[in-house]
Order: sequence, then C-alpha cells, then structure tokens
Amino acid sequence: GEQVEQLPSILRVQEGSSASINCTYENSASNYFPWYKQEPGENPKLIIDIRSNMERKQTQGLIVLLDKKAKRFSLHITDTQPGDSAMYFCAASYGSSGNKLIFGIGTLLSVKP
Amino acid sequence: GPKVLQIPSHQIIDMGQMVTLNCDPVSNHLYFYWYKQILGQQMEFLVNFYNGKVMEKSKLFKDQFSVERPDGSYFTLKIQPTALEDSAVYFCASSLKGQGWEQYFGPGTRLTVL
Repeated sequence: GEQVEQLPSILRVQEGSSASINCTYENSASNYFPWYKQEPGENPKLIIDIRSNMERKQTQGLIVLLDKKAKRFSLHITDTQPGDSAMYFCAASYGSSGNKLIFGIGTLLSVKP
Repeated sequence: GPKVLQIPSHQIIDMGQMVTLNCDPVSNHLYFYWYKQILGQQMEFLVNFYNGKVMEKSKLFKDQFSVERPDGSYFTLKIQPTALEDSAVYFCASSLKGQGWEQYFGPGTRLTVL
C-alpha cells in the first residue's frame, strides 16, 4: 500500500510546551521522510527530514525519530512558540522512482500564548 | 532557501477550456513534480519528470493532463479539457536529485474551474 497515516489531526498546546506528531507508513522500501510546515495560503516548507540510515535527527528545536521496524516516524517540537502554529505534513517516499512523496493528512497545530 | 516560482498565482476558467500552469524550478535542479491540493487536505502526487520524460504518474494524472519542459524553459502542466473536479491548488516542486532528496515547493497556482 501507499498510505501514510498521521495523528493527531488537531493539536493544541500551551506556549513553551512540546508537541508531538506521529506518522506510520506501509512500504518497507520507503527510505526518505520529510516534514513540511504549511501556513494558510502558503506553500509547504521543508522543515526537517530523515533518511532510513538514521534513527534520530535534531535541528533548531525540532527532533525527528524513525523506527523502521515499526514503520513509524515522528516529529517533536520542543519549546513551542505561537509562530509554530500551522499545518504540519509528514511524507514518505514511494514508487518505482523512489521520489514520489505520499503525504499524511496533516496536523493543525495551535500554540496558545 | 531555494525558490520555485509559479505563474499564474490564480486562474479562473470555464469547464472544457484548456489551461497551462507554469513552473520555474530551482535553477540547478533536475527533477520536477506536480502535486494537487484540495482545500483543507494534503498534497497529492500527480507526476514526476526527469530528463525530458515522465518517470511516474498517479491515478490523479488523467489522460487530459500532460507535462513538458521544452529546452529548459518552464516546466508546464497542461489540462485539456478541464473539469470541475480539477479545481484545486497545484504545487510544482523540484529537487536536485531523485530518490531521497529534498523537494522544494513553489507558491502554488489556485485553479478554479467554473
């Protein structure tokens, strides 16, 4: 299959707390997992990604974890700020070309001051 | 970061007409993509393109759709004829290499078919 499941669909947190979004994929051949942030009316912006040769990656308050056995990956935003409020999409690479991205349904993150 | 440009930003046309969406990918990128996003939903893969050829296309890439990039000019998505269900935002993306490389998205073209 080519589904990417993403949970939760809505996430409300208090400023300064952490936020976690979880995704699962179906094809064990998937080897690239990007995360995109999309604000209303804007294009999706790549914020962090991880490849299948890694289990953990961290950059600027973002942590991604990858569990290949469970076909699960997650995004953790530490010390959330109101500017982090947006839609977040996970994706997994699929297809014979290996660069077809299948996106999750998205998580609407709302950070309250 | 790398910039992908798309022209026009909005397009309103009558059902049955032809429309061409234009994408100016990042200058040294070699792989190009089109994704479709219906309001409130996720991006859905339409097609990827490399070295003048379609590599892979999804079920959403109907027979009425075609892509090309003549001689390094715009990477285009043409829909002929358009249908009501083609109304969506179409995002172009590009990447330097294929599998496992970052895809950068343009600002999108909002297509409304009446």
